[in-house]
Amino acid sequence: GAGVSQSPRYKVAKRGQDVALRCDPISGHVSLFWYQQALGQGPEFLTYFQNEAQLDKSGLPSDRFFAERPEGSVSTLKIQRTQQEDSAVYLCASSHGQTAGLVSNEQFFGPGTRLTVL
Amino acid sequence: GNSVTQMEGPVTLSEEAFLTINCTYTATGYPSLFWYVQYPGEGLQLLLKATKADDKGSNKGFEATYRKETTSFHLEKGSVQVSDSAVYFCALTLGGNYQLIWGAGTKLIIKP
Repeated sequence: GAGVSQSPRYKVAKRGQDVALRCDPISGHVSLFWYQQALGQGPEFLTYFQNEAQLDKSGLPSDRFFAERPEGSVSTLKIQRTQQEDSAVYLCASSHGQTAGLVSNEQFFGPGTRLTVL
Repeated sequence: GNSVTQMEGPVTLSEEAFLTINCTYTATGYPSLFWYVQYPGEGLQLLLKATKADDKGSNKGFEATYRKETTSFHLEKGSVQVSDSAVYFCALTLGGNYQLIWGAGTKLIIKP
């Protein structure tokens, strides 16, 4: 079966432009995560969905960042009025996530979208 | 707060050498611990995990033991290969909150 896919793989934006990054999780996976990975750093949590519900958005760095998963499958991360500090790799991960309290639910990662803001 | 600290890289070894990559954590509660690997040009993959104290995770010749007393989860391999060259990330999750908290990653370079 297919893994997590993300598109586009690379995105170059001019400062001030809006961008939309897409994530297709593994079919049937309930949980979906977005992470931001700056060059030479580990990923940083942005937001988490369980089905279509956004349960945690504490990691979104500003109100320019918005994520949605309207049908509980595909998710889109939107960044408005991009700034140079938004340049990073944006990672999407999904997990089965069906059992409450299961603390080690493996997350499967997509290849990421590398965003460069000029 | 909750955090993960791992040794800085790059770590450069010769083929068949013994590998240790140190990882220590700070967490409230009882975390689950993970090692992820990112091969050149590929996405992050789970390498191994441990969910409670004294558990040992193992995969592809790599091992790590969850040490609560030293809050550590060091990654080891007895004999590395060139194909092990990658970036290795230590991470944790806390019960009921599935977000992963990551170390900065350690780049491993294995020379033939």
